[in-house]
Amino acid sequence: GENVEQHPSTLSVQEGDSAVIKCTYSDSASNYFPWYKQELGKRPQLIIDIRSNVGEKKDQRIAVTLNKTAKHFSLHITETQPEDSAVYFCAARGGRALTFGSGTRLQVQP
Amino acid sequence: DAGVIQSPRHEVTEMGQEVTLRCKPISGHDYLFWYRQTMMRGLELLIYFNNNVPIDDSGMPEDRFSAKMPNASFSTLKIQPSEPRDSAVYFCASSLTPKNNEQFFGPGTRLTVL
Repeated sequence: GENVEQHPSTLSVQEGDSAVIKCTYSDSASNYFPWYKQELGKRPQLIIDIRSNVGEKKDQRIAVTLNKTAKHFSLHITETQPEDSAVYFCAARGGRALTFGSGTRLQVQP
Repeated sequence: DAGVIQSPRHEVTEMGQEVTLRCKPISGHDYLFWYRQTMMRGLELLIYFNNNVPIDDSGMPEDRFSAKMPNASFSTLKIQPSEPRDSAVYFCASSLTPKNNEQFFGPGTRLTVL
């Protein structure tokens, strides 16, 4: 089955700086890679996703890149704000279900 | 649409008791997923259904766990008997067919087994 590794487990940045979270996956057949944001006590919510036929996708301050050859994908958040503080999960879909990474706790210091 | 609905939101029970968690997916979604979230193990897929049929239950920890989906608008996850190590947040999620991949999560049920 699919195995997703996510790094770092915690990340602290100053407001206005950029944050990068990286994930690797094992199943070369995986073709869908979403990122979820989970605020404390809340449900995970999709913030951006990318499919295997695309190398990069951007939505305002958030971007995701995918390297199929190396089997890794990354989340980039620019101009971070305190409200970006949350746990971020990457995931990969090899079959019909998602396999999630272990999560990154991002703290944006004002 | 109200989104994915889960009940109860919080459940506190004693070891050995039966626990039933409930989920109502978004209307029209063909897929329903049950996840468990703990600090130690993160988000784990327990089981998922397609058109009310269980497709993959390999994530169900043991025979104490069972899940059903009697119709397109309702699913249950049952733990019998419950143990303290079952304490976790249980999420239900639903999605359309694989072409529309976004999974929408419910608010979760926080289970505490004493």
